[in-house]
Amino acid sequence: GAVVSQHPSRVICKSGTSVKIECRSLDFQATTMFWYRQFPKQSLMLMATSNEGSKATYEQGVEKDKFLINHASLTLSTLTVTSAHPEDSSFYICSARGTGGRNEQFFGPGTRLTVL
Amino acid sequence: SQKIEQNSEALNIQEGKTATLTCNYTNYSPAYLQWYRQDPGRGPVFLLLIRENEKEKRKERLKVTFDTTLKQSLFHITASQPADSATYLCALSSRAGGGNKLTFGTGTQLKVEL
Repeated sequence: GAVVSQHPSRVICKSGTSVKIECRSLDFQATTMFWYRQFPKQSLMLMATSNEGSKATYEQGVEKDKFLINHASLTLSTLTVTSAHPEDSSFYICSARGTGGRNEQFFGPGTRLTVL
Repeated sequence: SQKIEQNSEALNIQEGKTATLTCNYTNYSPAYLQWYRQDPGRGPVFLLLIRENEKEKRKERLKVTFDTTLKQSLFHITASQPADSATYLCALSSRAGGGNKLTFGTGTQLKVEL
């Protein structure tokens, strides 16, 4: 149980284009999903917290207009990197927290974004 | 400022020995602490969660201790195997914001050699 998937696993795009990453909880409902970014040899940095049906809460320094988050259902959240630039190249990972008061977060396998 | 410190140097141990990884934190009042395993190019995998009022938690070959006075958690893997080689991350959740947000350490790479 508690499986989270991400799609795509890898994406290469040209500078200036937009990229959408999907995060799905496959066997549980996730009221809260989180988006992280991880640069090589560094830790996961929380970008934003999204709750189903409401606006995402962004961490300080994360541009909400650049990283659009939608959490339209209890099993799906999407992150759109708009007008991507090479410095946005990173490993993007989502996690989902289940219902019922459990505190564990279950992570997706990650999406490697490379912006040329 | 808040800090979570894990030993940045890789830990190399022999198969069958106990691996002990350390997580120290400052300027935090964590509601709970979690340990994750991360393999290269993959998302973290949840291992154990320990609450602020718990001293120790065990799961199979894994043991976590949590000392809120020392502001430290120790993560032990007994009878280590080469398959245990990975990076291990500790993550803290503060009481602020309902304990939702996790802040991660930089992780310690463990290598178990034959």
